[in-house]
Amino acid sequence: GQNIDQPTEMTATEGAIVQINCTYQTSGFNGLFWYQQHAGEAPTFLSYNVLDGLEEKGRFSSFLSRSKGYSYLLLKELQMKDSASYLCAVRPWGFQKLVFGTGTRLLVSP
Amino acid sequence: DVKVTQSSRYLVKRTGEKVFLECVQDMDHENMFWYRQDPGLGLRLIYFSYDVKMKEKGDIPEGYSVSREKKERFSLILESASTNQTSMYLCASSSTVPGSSGLEDTQYFGPGTRLTVL
Repeated sequence: GQNIDQPTEMTATEGAIVQINCTYQTSGFNGLFWYQQHAGEAPTFLSYNVLDGLEEKGRFSSFLSRSKGYSYLLLKELQMKDSASYLCAVRPWGFQKLVFGTGTRLLVSP
Repeated sequence: DVKVTQSSRYLVKRTGEKVFLECVQDMDHENMFWYRQDPGLGLRLIYFSYDVKMKEKGDIPEGYSVSREKKERFSLILESASTNQTSMYLCASSSTVPGSSGLEDTQYFGPGTRLTVL
């Protein structure tokens, strides 16, 4: 089976750092994606990890540990516009399709 | 930039009606997907297609069908809409071009159609 877990909701303050965790148990593994989704809008691609380690992309970084079935998305210097849902998705081996977690809603306050 | 468009942002239909949701992508992507998104349940895959006239069931295909007559267009059909099909419907597309980055099949989403069935 496929199971992806993320916290439902997180809050943080403008300018702070927040880490959103994702744990997964899937029948295979061929990559993990993070998407950002603002309310009422489509998910947009943020980052991709297939090897262990940290991928940095400006204010956003994503980490993967395949042996632990664990990833996190790190958001630095939080801005109000970062208030959104963050979706973790795993690509099982050999499949084009993605399996999504239920998403983490992040609220950034002044 | 990849562009995925959906025929309507908001749609209201009555129980028993036949509903067509259309999705068009302009990047010559081979793969297209239909999801529904509900609070607390996340994105769930309804159907997907790897090629023209080809379709495969996702996790929740019951009550839905799809059509892909042209590469750029993927339609979701609700044969007889029911109230439990009230949801946000999202279409996505991705490429299958071989490569080394692993990002070849990143999915790009359309803006979504919020369907209400009364």
